[in-house]
Amino acid sequence: EDQVTQSPEALRLQEGESSSLNCSYTVSGLRGLFWYRQDPGKGPEFLFTLYSAGEEKEKERLKATLTKKESFLHITAPKPEDSATYLCAVQGGGADGLTFGKGTHLIIQP
Amino acid sequence: DGGITQSPKYLFRKEGQNVTLSCEQNLNHDAMYWYRQDPGQGLRLIYYSQIVNDFQKGDIAEGYSVSREKKESFPLTVTSAQKNPTAFYLCASSIDSEPGSYNEQFFGPGTRLTVL
Repeated sequence: EDQVTQSPEALRLQEGESSSLNCSYTVSGLRGLFWYRQDPGKGPEFLFTLYSAGEEKEKERLKATLTKKESFLHITAPKPEDSATYLCAVQGGGADGLTFGKGTHLIIQP
Repeated sequence: DGGITQSPKYLFRKEGQNVTLSCEQNLNHDAMYWYRQDPGQGLRLIYYSQIVNDFQKGDIAEGYSVSREKKESFPLTVTSAQKNPTAFYLCASSIDSEPGSYNEQFFGPGTRLTVL
């Protein structure tokens, strides 16, 4: 059974204070690891797909990295508008849907 | 504008009633999915469909039913057999779901269902 654990559950940062969110996973035959951003009361917004260990992707202040056991979402010099819940999900070899973690609730204070 | 629409945004149901949630996409995606989101829990897969007139159960299909008569539409019915239906329901789609593929899923805005 595929499993995803995200940490921390919640994180409060000052504007400009860089940090990282963690996503640990166990999966049989990783087909893809996905990062989403979700604002309150809205559907998840796609950010990144990572396919293999060593891969990195960047978008504005966000950078996602992948190893064989975990993924990190690095946030550099965050702004208040980066406040959201960040979701990590995996798709395993035997699955068609995604297995999600519970998310990290990120708050960026001005 | 291409995207996924869900309606209604809010839905209230009395116990014992069946309700149907709508999901439409104009992205020409083959695969569609339904997830349920509860506070403090990750999204959980209810049903998915890779092609018209075919669908498979996800992890928590009991008390739900779906149909896929058109490529663009994948409605979800929450039946009275679902013991705890109050939740946020999310529909998603992806380009295809061929074995070995790894296509990202794009989500709609969600429907919040409350049982009174």
